[in-house]
Amino acid sequence: QVQLVESGGGVVQPGRSLRLSCAASGFTFGSFAMHWVRQAPGKGLVWVAIISYDGNNKYYPDSVKGRFTISRDNSKNTLYLQMSSLKADDTAVYYCARDAGGVQYMDSWGQGTLVTVSA
Amino acid sequence: DIQMTQSPASLSASVGDRVTITCRASQSISIYLNWYQQKPGKAPKLLIYAASSLQSGVPSRFSGSGSGTDFTLSISSLQPEDFAAYYCQHSYSPPYSFGQGTKVEIK
Repeated sequence: QVQLVESGGGVVQPGRSLRLSCAASGFTFGSFAMHWVRQAPGKGLVWVAIISYDGNNKYYPDSVKGRFTISRDNSKNTLYLQMSSLKADDTAVYYCARDAGGVQYMDSWGQGTLVTVSA
Repeated sequence: DIQMTQSPASLSASVGDRVTITCRASQSISIYLNWYQQKPGKAPKLLIYAASSLQSGVPSRFSGSGSGTDFTLSISSLQPEDFAAYYCQHSYSPPYSFGQGTKVEIK
């Protein structure tokens, strides 16, 4: 079955960088667009990024544009989120999710990885 | 950017009640509207996609309706396992924003 496993979270100082990974299995990774979504403690879901199946198209909300970069390695079945110039407001659980295509909904999610930005 | 507004922010209901949650988009999004359920400490789970299509494996007591700017998620007879947070999300064009969520609590 579809499995998504995030890793790379931890405690990081403001202004520093961190890279998250999402290992995919159970489906043909290179055929699906992928998303990152985050959730600050006690808060709602916030969409962070999407990358097309081939990596050629990427979109971000203004809140992370220029600081976060989504990428993928289809040979390794892995999705990445490179985060730089981190702020306290970036503290959240980060989820990767598969895009089912069509009207672009997220049909499978990982368990999440916690990023804490603190001095 | 398209803004999504959910109401209510929270509600209290009893097992067996019919529950309706609404979601409004700041501009027309056709049927590009999805609903997710999230339980504490867990990842979100897809319930409804394309406004009214039930995701495989989701109980039929869940239903979605609407198009354009106004959408609803209904639970026909609330079950104990349905007490959770619910989020709408548009997928019309990026950025694909979520509503602020509705927490369904036990009365």
